[in-house]
Amino acid sequence: QSVLTQPPSVSGAPGQRVTISCTGSSSNIGAGYDVHWYQQLPGTAPKLLIYDNSNRPSGVPDRFSGSKSGTSASLAITGLQAEDEADYYCQSYDSSLSGPVVFGGGTKLTVL
Amino acid sequence: EVQLVESGGGLIQPGGSLRLSCAASGFTVSSNYMSWVRQAPGKGLEWLSVIYSGGSTYYADSVKGRFTISRDNSKNTLYLQMNSLRADDTAVYYCARYNWKFDYWGQGTLVTVSS
Repeated sequence: QSVLTQPPSVSGAPGQRVTISCTGSSSNIGAGYDVHWYQQLPGTAPKLLIYDNSNRPSGVPDRFSGSKSGTSASLAITGLQAEDEADYYCQSYDSSLSGPVVFGGGTKLTVL
Repeated sequence: EVQLVESGGGLIQPGGSLRLSCAASGFTVSSNYMSWVRQAPGKGLEWLSVIYSGGSTYYADSVKGRFTISRDNSKNTLYLQMNSLRADDTAVYYCARYNWKFDYWGQGTLVTVSS
């Protein structure tokens, strides 16, 4: 049971828009801590995709965007491409006894 | 260029010990927060431990008392000493630079705990 809750899977056709939600609580996202997103392609290490809720590291296409509101955050991917098929994880800071770092359980994106 | 290279994984019997290393280049380990994250086969990411630049350390409940994070400033290397290993510790172990987000990751090293 992850501290941050994500849907196990989402899917979309090429060119479509999909969103992945990340729901937390008053000790993490709701406390104002930033949310970060990672993309993990099959067989590779995770890669930082979105940081501080909505910022993209250099080299990440602007098809990827993030937002945060209240105790939740979202990752949106527009113009879906086959190479976007991957696992996506959200992460934040948590002030409770569960530890300073919390991850979501991950969402498998399938491009139909 | 920032690079993290883990080593030390392998097959170990339950109850055994293993030390993972993470050699860093392109930045100074001691001036940064560093962390270990693992991923069991077919599962999600699990944060394990962090060491802050000042030396403070924190652990997930699942490894507290069994795992120890440390660093060697002269070698610019991060370590994870793992004791009393169990079957459910089987995973790929990643080291990562942490500044409230994990901006650089190693390629991971596989630890298999099995008799």
